[in-house]
This record gives sequence, structure tokens and C-alpha cells, in this order.
Amino acid sequence: NAGVTQTPKFRILKIGQSMTLQCAQDMNHNYMYWYRQDPGMGLKLIYYSVGAGITDKGEVPNGYNVSRSTTEDFPLRLELAAPSQTSVYFCASNPAGEVYEQYFGPGTRLTVT
Amino acid sequence: GQQLNQSPQSMFIQEGEDVSMNCTSSSIFNTWLWYKQDPGEGPVLLIALYKAGELTSNGRLTAQFGITRKDSFLNISASIPSDVGIYFCAGQLGGGTSYGKLTFGQGTILTVHP
Repeated sequence: NAGVTQTPKFRILKIGQSMTLQCAQDMNHNYMYWYRQDPGMGLKLIYYSVGAGITDKGEVPNGYNVSRSTTEDFPLRLELAAPSQTSVYFCASNPAGEVYEQYFGPGTRLTVT
Repeated sequence: GQQLNQSPQSMFIQEGEDVSMNCTSSSIFNTWLWYKQDPGEGPVLLIALYKAGELTSNGRLTAQFGITRKDSFLNISASIPSDVGIYFCAGQLGGGTSYGKLTFGQGTILTVHP
């Protein structure tokens, strides 16, 4: 199993541009999450999904959108990039049920200038 | 929302020393998790704790779930250079409506001098 994969690894965007951060997992996990990590801070939850077709907002959802058309994929969309969205983005998955252990991807480092 | 206070923020130690870090919360959690993050990588799960008072080891790492369910600590014994990284605690409310969501501490940056 590849686990949780994320693409791209790095990206530089200009203010106002759009992009989609890709996340995929091959563990058949129902729950998936998007976090952002700012320097010196812990991870903040952006959006999460408990299954295909079901998504909900986390702690910091403004400026982002998500979709979940399959169990495997959970892309994160930035529509109008702003400098405040400069961060490292992590995707994670969780098999759900009684197991609460989240498994993380390697991250996407995004800079908006 | 819930907040986790993790301390210390950073530690500089000599190889071979023991390390201790902890997390406290104003909220009760049903699960505590400890992660390690290497530079440029995603967090990797070290230890998961599911029961108040539980003490769990993973090699040189030992973690405990506080009796009050509002705190947890992580100890690393006989540190080695590859222990360098950022250690995060994470708490989870549990239950059907939590959907596995985690609240993270701010992290402890560990530096080990050979």
C-alpha cells in the first residue's frame, strides 16, 4: 500500500490564482481530513469527509472547498489564493469505527505571493 | 473549541538524556495520540492511548493518558540523534459525532546534540 499520497509537493501561486491540492489513499479508509500547518503551530482542520459524497467544515474552512466523489480521493480547492493561505497542507485518513488513528500524507508546501 | 497546551515548546538535550513533554487541556478527551514529524514530512503516529490511566510503551517511548482525561505525557528514554523532530500531542473527543477529528497541540521541537 502507498498509504496517503499528496501532489504536488511544492507550489508557488500568485494572488488570485486557483489550484487543487490532490490527496489519495489506498487503504479503503472512510474518513479523510485536510489540515494546514503554519510555522510554529499545530495542525488546524480545514475540512473533513466521512465518506463519498459527505463533507463538512473544520476549524478554518474559509477560502477552501472540497469534494469527495470516491472513497480514495479527497481534493482541496483554493479558488482565489491569498497570502494568508501560504502554509503546509496535510491530508490524513482514518479507517473510522472505533479506531481513531489518523495517517498523514507527506504534505504540500504552498506559497502565495 | 478545544485547546491543547503542549510544553515545553522546545528542548535542547544531549544524546543519552531522557526527555519528557506533556499536554494539558481544559476539555476531557477520550483518546490521546502522540505524533512525530520529521522535517519536510507528515506526522507519524507514535502511540495511541484509549483509556484514562493507561500507560503504553513503544520502544524507548512511553506515554500516559491522565486520570482526569485532560492531560497526557510522553517520555523518551536514552535519546539518540534520530529522535530529532517535532512531537505533537492530539486529543480526540470520540463518540459517533466526532468523526475522528483531532485537536493538536502546538508541538515540542526536540534537538539532540551528539
